[in-house]
Amino acid sequence: DAGVTQSPTHLIKTRGQQVTLRCSPKSGHDTVSWYQQALGQGPQFIFQYYEEEERQRGNFPDRFSGHQFPNYSSELNVNALLLGDSALYLCASSLGRLRVEAFFGQGTRLTVV
Amino acid sequence: GENVEQHPSTLSVQEGDSAVIKCTYSDSASNYFPWYKQELGKGPQLIIDIRSNVGEKKDQRIAVTLNKTAKHFSLHITETQPEDSAVYFCAASIAGNQFYFGTGTSLTVIP
Repeated sequence: DAGVTQSPTHLIKTRGQQVTLRCSPKSGHDTVSWYQQALGQGPQFIFQYYEEEERQRGNFPDRFSGHQFPNYSSELNVNALLLGDSALYLCASSLGRLRVEAFFGQGTRLTVV
Repeated sequence: GENVEQHPSTLSVQEGDSAVIKCTYSDSASNYFPWYKQELGKGPQLIIDIRSNVGEKKDQRIAVTLNKTAKHFSLHITETQPEDSAVYFCAASIAGNQFYFGTGTSLTVIP
């Protein structure tokens, strides 16, 4: 049973560019949440997708957007990258909006230079 | 919103000793409290969780306790082993909603 998979694992972008990160949830899971983890900090919630719609959003600007596909996979897009966007981006999947257990992928390390 | 505080930020124990990590939360509506272990270069791994209708839960060497009145919960690891060395995060949420994470505890188990 494949767990949560994210791609790519590492990425280097230039300030001002745009980036797309991808996530495939654990088999059978239909809810995907994205988190940003700065170095030495706990993960911060970006948004959650369920039934292809954004259901919740954390305190992140509109430069951060996402999408969920019919197969439950998800993308995180960040526009106009800033140096401060450098972080580990984590995807977590769960089964149904009210199921509590969430499983994380290995993350995508984004470096903005 | 919810605020989760975690202590200590670093913890060193001798192999075989116990380790305890404590977290407090602010929102009395929170009802789900997971603990994650994160090894270097990896994503967080769910190791144990507890819901607000339970006071204690144990899984082999790991246990979690919850005091709803005081709004705090703790992770207990007994008979620590070198492979327990990692960063541990607590989190709080209202079921189905976003997780609010603590700032992490770096645990080092000295052989």
